[in-house]
Amino acid sequence: EIVLTQSPGTLSLSPGERATLSCRASQSVGSNFLAWYQQKPGQAPRLLMYAASSRATGIPDRFSGSGSGTDFTLTISRLEPEDFAVYFCQHYGTTPPWAFGQGTRVEIK
Amino acid sequence: QIQLQQSGPGLVKPSQTLSLTCAISGDSVSSNSAAWNWIRQSPSRGLEWLGRTYYRTKWYDDYAVSVKSRMSITPDTSRNQFSLHLNSVTPEDTAVYYCARGGSGITVSIFTYWGQGILVTVSS
Repeated sequence: EIVLTQSPGTLSLSPGERATLSCRASQSVGSNFLAWYQQKPGQAPRLLMYAASSRATGIPDRFSGSGSGTDFTLTISRLEPEDFAVYFCQHYGTTPPWAFGQGTRVEIK
Repeated sequence: QIQLQQSGPGLVKPSQTLSLTCAISGDSVSSNSAAWNWIRQSPSRGLEWLGRTYYRTKWYDDYAVSVKSRMSITPDTSRNQFSLHLNSVTPEDTAVYYCARGGSGITVSIFTYWGQGILVTVSS
């Protein structure tokens, strides 16, 4: 079973700055089957990215994803006020179980 | 527009059964291109996938090892909903429970639509 480790735990940044979030897998994630979600307080997670670098419907292009194998990155090019939230990575595929990372909180500095 | 609406109690006593329902609109629980999941979130365990049910000429289900012996997911085609039943609960089952829709094929475990979440507290 793949374990996903996200870093840092918390990222303190100002609006307009660039955010770089990391997700490391305990073993290779086949075919880059890696998704990212955003969660705001009191809300369910929202799908941002899938296949490591493909944006989900309606996600602005300031969000981008990259990586392969065991190391993946979510980048927010210029933080908007609505981007301050918690971000989770998740590996997916056809065979369960599927794990989530523990999350990175992006907070206003 | 697919929407998932969850219902169920927010407080369950230890050793009892936790039951939640997820009502689907804009899609069908019997869809051949969807899978219907339960996921929970707690400070100690983070986001944890619990199980799923899906229809592909017949009904299938899968469960996480951590809950497999205590959990069942039942579809209700007449009401277009699916339910979670988790028995013999302990305080460690206290969490926000979400239902979520996955697709088919490789997207079966990409969770595009989520219910609103219900905080379930296990306490006497």
